[in-house]
Amino acid sequence: DTEVTQTPKHLVMGMTNKKSLKCEQHMGHRAMYWYKQKAKKPPELMFVYSYEKLSINESVPSRFSPECPNSSLLNLHLHALQPEDSALYLCASSQAGGNNYGYTFGSGTRLTVV
Amino acid sequence: DQQVKQNSPSLSVQEGRISILNCDYTNSMFDYFLWYKKYPAEGPTFLISISSIKDKNEDGRFTVFLNKSAKHLSLHIVPSQPGDSAVYFCAAGAQGAQKLVFGQGTRLTINP
Repeated sequence: DTEVTQTPKHLVMGMTNKKSLKCEQHMGHRAMYWYKQKAKKPPELMFVYSYEKLSINESVPSRFSPECPNSSLLNLHLHALQPEDSALYLCASSQAGGNNYGYTFGSGTRLTVV
Repeated sequence: DQQVKQNSPSLSVQEGRISILNCDYTNSMFDYFLWYKKYPAEGPTFLISISSIKDKNEDGRFTVFLNKSAKHLSLHIVPSQPGDSAVYFCAAGAQGAQKLVFGQGTRLTINP
């Protein structure tokens, strides 16, 4: 299995809703990432988990809450989002400790906040 | 502060010819570089990478060139095929930093 699977593919939520994005990989990668991509912009790093521990938080607002229940799963819990949070949310994984192997990205969740 | 820049938002090339995509970076701590390809509604797909100890890496139709003194890298695709039409992102990172910085992307269109 050489894929990163993200669910759901599309999500529309209101500003008072609570929702979660899910990401799963079975490649034995011990580093997992959340990126956010706005239209016509590059992906921007949000969080990095290494060996199931949060190692990087790029000053992301607390309305985004990541969770890594085990080495194969990564969640992003969403609460009280704003319309400007609408974007493509990408999960990625890699071998821990070095990036020269390249990330494997999922297809993303297209999030719309109304 | 945009540390990785792709100054051409789009590029159009005829099928069979060479496509050259360019990328510039400012952070001298970057020591490895990657190219990703992205189709609409899909995540980026890793294409090819290069470490700063090399100046060229080749994989089939794809070759990446690195000029450290100019802080410039380029991706050559030859011959270009219609299936190469996509957005190409350049990315850079430092060993062990666990963080990639992406350029803005270049939309490549291969015309028949």
